[in-house]
Amino acid sequence: SQTIHQWPATLVQPVGSPLSLECTVEGTSNPNLYWYRQAAGRGLQLLFYSVGIGQISSEVPQNLSASRPQDRQFILSSKKLLLSDSGFYLCAWSVASIAKNIQYFGAGTRLSVL
Amino acid sequence: AQKVTQAQTEISVVEKEDVTLDCVYETRDTTYYLFWYKQPPSGELVFLIRRNSFDEQNEISGRYSWNFQKSTSSFNFTITASQVVDSAVYFCALSEAFRTGNQFYFGTGTSLTVIP
Repeated sequence: SQTIHQWPATLVQPVGSPLSLECTVEGTSNPNLYWYRQAAGRGLQLLFYSVGIGQISSEVPQNLSASRPQDRQFILSSKKLLLSDSGFYLCAWSVASIAKNIQYFGAGTRLSVL
Repeated sequence: AQKVTQAQTEISVVEKEDVTLDCVYETRDTTYYLFWYKQPPSGELVFLIRRNSFDEQNEISGRYSWNFQKSTSSFNFTITASQVVDSAVYFCALSEAFRTGNQFYFGTGTSLTVIP
């Protein structure tokens, strides 16, 4: 069966520090991968998605970047965190086929930038 | 323009009451998919149901039921005999068949509190 791992679960970082959040998927190959952010207001904002290694699409211009160095690994990064980067970050995966396009989510990372 | 609208921000019900969560969507595509997810306090989004635009049959799964009506562009979710464990934020989402990368449009969510 497929599983998605996301870490760390909680992170407290000072303003201006770098960030690296990692997400890995097991049990499937060539998945679509997604990073979302959920601010305190509860809505889900799609940050990045990837349909293959090295292929990253950004939905919102911001202080963050994403990379996909391996087929089932998706990394969210920042060189210098801002206060506004605080939030709940969720990674998700789906199969590439539109016929089976359910997105499955990781447990999330709560990021507090102080 | 908002593709998925969940007008109910917060709902509170007493345990054992029925509750309906509304979802209205907007799309010009003829092929699309609708979803409901549950987000308990732990934070992880849990998939509940997926419907495609060609299947308007209502679905029932235990205490959960879904009513899909293309005529009103709605995909409502009813919980019968609510329980405290149903307390969560519920999200409705839309996926259009020809959108790159299988991206979802999520609604803003409805926070459901079931009072014992």
